[in-house]
Amino acid sequence: DAKTTQPTSMDCAEGRAANLPCNHSTISGNEYVYWYRQIHSQGPQYIIHGLKNNETNEMASLIITEDRKSSTLILPHATLRDTAVYYCIVRVLHNYGQNFVFGPGTRLSVLP
Amino acid sequence: NAGVTQTPKFQVLKTGQSMTLQCAQDMNHEYMSWYRQDPGMGLRLIHYSVGAGITDQGEVPNGYNVSRSTTEDFPLRLLSAAPSQTSVYFCASSKQGSETQYFGPGTRLLVL
Repeated sequence: DAKTTQPTSMDCAEGRAANLPCNHSTISGNEYVYWYRQIHSQGPQYIIHGLKNNETNEMASLIITEDRKSSTLILPHATLRDTAVYYCIVRVLHNYGQNFVFGPGTRLSVLP
Repeated sequence: NAGVTQTPKFQVLKTGQSMTLQCAQDMNHEYMSWYRQDPGMGLRLIHYSVGAGITDQGEVPNGYNVSRSTTEDFPLRLLSAAPSQTSVYFCASSKQGSETQYFGPGTRLLVL
């Protein structure tokens, strides 16, 4: 699996968009970009994933650059409850489950 | 659906004691896995299973045993607990071919 690089921490004002970057310069053509988050002491929670195209769901948007070497997770209107550690993971979609490698992630603090 | 459940929520052991961490899911997921998370770090895969009767090792399997006699249950056994096994343990499950893993609430284990 391709390695990812994320900033250690970020702050965001409540109500503003939170833009979380991720670099994955060695990504291969069949690897997806996944985002999970972990709110304090809880199990990780799936947010979104994508291959090439930008994706949007009720939680967030995922913007993947044309060369696929980096991506940005966007929380359009961050709330205090979005304070969490966000993990960017690059992974081939396996038929038999997803053995994700969770790095240290980005600790997002949403400030009032 | 209850999703993924884990018991106990918290456990204190003495070095050398044995115990079993329980994990169950009611979503009929084929794939289940165990991770451990140490303070300030991401999750590391211990063992996983792609279906009843089939298990395999992850990144950090030493000191842990698993079995998968039913689709629903995936217990993790510590045969002789060591202080290095003090951690938070998460169980996860996913449907075959699905991109999404569902995580349990975690078990906090302290080995003295």
